[in-house]
Amino acid sequence: GDSVTQMEGPVTLSEEAFLTINCTYTATGYPSLFWYVQYPGEGLQLLLKATKADDKGSNKGFEATYRKETTSFHLEKGSVQVSDSAVYFCALSDQKYGVGTASKLTFGTGTRLQVTL
Amino acid sequence: SAVISQKPSRDICQRGTSLTIQCQVDSQVTMMFWYRQQPGQSLTLIATANQGSEATYESGFVIDKFPISRPNLTFSTLTVSNMSPEDSSIYLCSWTGQGANEQFFGPGTRLTVL
Repeated sequence: GDSVTQMEGPVTLSEEAFLTINCTYTATGYPSLFWYVQYPGEGLQLLLKATKADDKGSNKGFEATYRKETTSFHLEKGSVQVSDSAVYFCALSDQKYGVGTASKLTFGTGTRLQVTL
Repeated sequence: SAVISQKPSRDICQRGTSLTIQCQVDSQVTMMFWYRQQPGQSLTLIATANQGSEATYESGFVIDKFPISRPNLTFSTLTVSNMSPEDSSIYLCSWTGQGANEQFFGPGTRLTVL
């Protein structure tokens, strides 16, 4: 079945450091890929997405590129801030329910990011 | 996007009792989902809830343990029945509109079973 593998955390960085959180996936067909963020005490928020190979999703300074050849969707940010401290989840949607209909999400285990001054 | 709310936000319950979690969206949505996030773990889909039909459960989840209602296009409930400490988790509902494959999540319900 479908699966998502994320690098284990926690990841601790100083403010303004470069961030990479690795994500690889296994899926049949052509899934869409997502990064969600969960700030302390809050629910999940969609951070960015990519729906086909070579697409780059971006939001709030974060970027991730859908690499079909390496089945990866690594999250990057050039300069992290303390306010970026959160848990980041990589996810894929399976298209078995058909194009144009909602699909269930398969999540990675999450990576906790702690940014310090 | 639609705003989604859940009640209660947290609860502490006794073993053997049941808790019903409510999920309200401020606009009509086609599909709603219920997820469980066990401590320190990722999210696992429990079931998909369509209005007017029975919920579709994922492997390992059964209707007797997690009955779901979806009476209209803006509301759903999940009941955690005959609870045990292993049911201590965060339960989240999510929604997606027709034609979209991205999901938006509620704030979650943090359940502790003693």
